[in-house]
Amino acid sequence: GQSLEQPSEVTAVEGAIVQINCTYQTSGFYGLSWYQQHDGGAPTFLSYNALDGLEETGRFSSFLSRSDSYGYLLLQELQMKDSASYFCAVRDSAGKSTFGDGTTLTVKP
Amino acid sequence: DAEITQSPRHKITETGRQVTLACHQTWNHNNMFWYRQDLGHGLRLIHYSYGVQDTNKGEVSDGYSVSRSNTEDLPLTLESAASSQTSVYFCASSEGTGNTEAFFGQGTRLTVV
Repeated sequence: GQSLEQPSEVTAVEGAIVQINCTYQTSGFYGLSWYQQHDGGAPTFLSYNALDGLEETGRFSSFLSRSDSYGYLLLQELQMKDSASYFCAVRDSAGKSTFGDGTTLTVKP
Repeated sequence: DAEITQSPRHKITETGRQVTLACHQTWNHNNMFWYRQDLGHGLRLIHYSYGVQDTNKGEVSDGYSVSRSNTEDLPLTLESAASSQTSVYFCASSEGTGNTEAFFGQGTRLTVV
């Protein structure tokens, strides 16, 4: 089976940098995805890592270490609109994803 | 523009009734998924399909069924609705294997009374 762990809540101030960690135990690991979900909305894709290292997309970066079964999402220059829930998800080779319980990020002025 | 749509957006039903939630995508994606999300939790996989006539059980499939008769649609049926199935249901689709993102519908909020 699959299991993922991520912090339930993180709080940071506008303009700061925040890191959301994700550890996983899984069989058939293919890659790690990150999704953002605002209250009442649908999850939207942020990033995907299949190989070790850092992937950067604008203010967001995602890191993966396959040997440590660990990844993180890094959000820079935080804005109020970044307040949302963030989910890591393990993807298997067939494209099926298992999601963590999510981290609620609160950005304060 | 391609999209994925769910209907209805909100549904109230009584215990024991059969309910079907619709999911329609115009991405021409092979993979389609149904998840449920309960307050304060992540998305749990109910059923999924990798193509026409293919369906598979996810981690919380009891009491649910799906069918895939064409590429565009994956309806989710609750055979006999129970209060424990009150939840928000999300449908998603993706192109296939590899580095492909999943696109989610806007969700259906189902209340079983």
